[in-house]
Amino acid sequence: QVQLQESGPGLVKPSETLSLTCAVSGGSISSSNWWSWIRQPPGRGLEWIAEIDHSGYTKYNPSLKSRVTISVDKSNNQFSLKLSSVTAADTAVYYCARTLSGGRFFDYWGQGTLVTVSS
Amino acid sequence: DVVMTQSPLSLPVTLGQPASISCRSSQSLVHSDGNTYLNWFHQRPGQSPRRLIYKVSDRDSGVPDRFSGSGSGTDFTLKISRVEAEDVGVYYCMQGTHWPLTFGGGTKVEIK
Repeated sequence: QVQLQESGPGLVKPSETLSLTCAVSGGSISSSNWWSWIRQPPGRGLEWIAEIDHSGYTKYNPSLKSRVTISVDKSNNQFSLKLSSVTAADTAVYYCARTLSGGRFFDYWGQGTLVTVSS
Repeated sequence: DVVMTQSPLSLPVTLGQPASISCRSSQSLVHSDGNTYLNWFHQRPGQSPRRLIYKVSDRDSGVPDRFSGSGSGTDFTLKISRVEAEDVGVYYCMQGTHWPLTFGGGTKVEIK
């Protein structure tokens, strides 16, 4: 059973960089899957941020691309998200999720972590 | 970006009765590989979304067979044949055919 666990600061100051990590267990991050970050502002819907495969090939949402970096750490079986120049609009629950090859999107999700942007 | 429009926004249902949620996309979701990457997710309050349906109508393992997905092109439907109390929450459709990946705004299902 694959499990994903997000971690990172729950509070980030405006203009700073949000950094989150998703630890993958029960499976290898080097398998033929894609790994995504998705966020959900409080009381609102879901927004896909970015995804990466085990080789480091990435795709980004153009709405956030200039501020986002996604990376993979195969040695620790985890992947990470960095979002720069944050504002209050970036306050959200951030989820990591897996996509299986063959376009089987988001079959496993982490529990989510709330990140609040505030001074 | 492909806009996913769900209706209704809110759906009060009676236990044991059927329910239906519509999802329309601003572009055809038929991929060049012939597949249609339309997914349905269910999110209970305070929980992560859970995928119910992928590729329009393929039900995930462990998902009750009272859930079914149908549709083609730009018009899709999630049906619950007989609503149970555990089905409350928000349902999202999501397309994986075009980049960026996009979700519908959600339909909140509640018991009358």
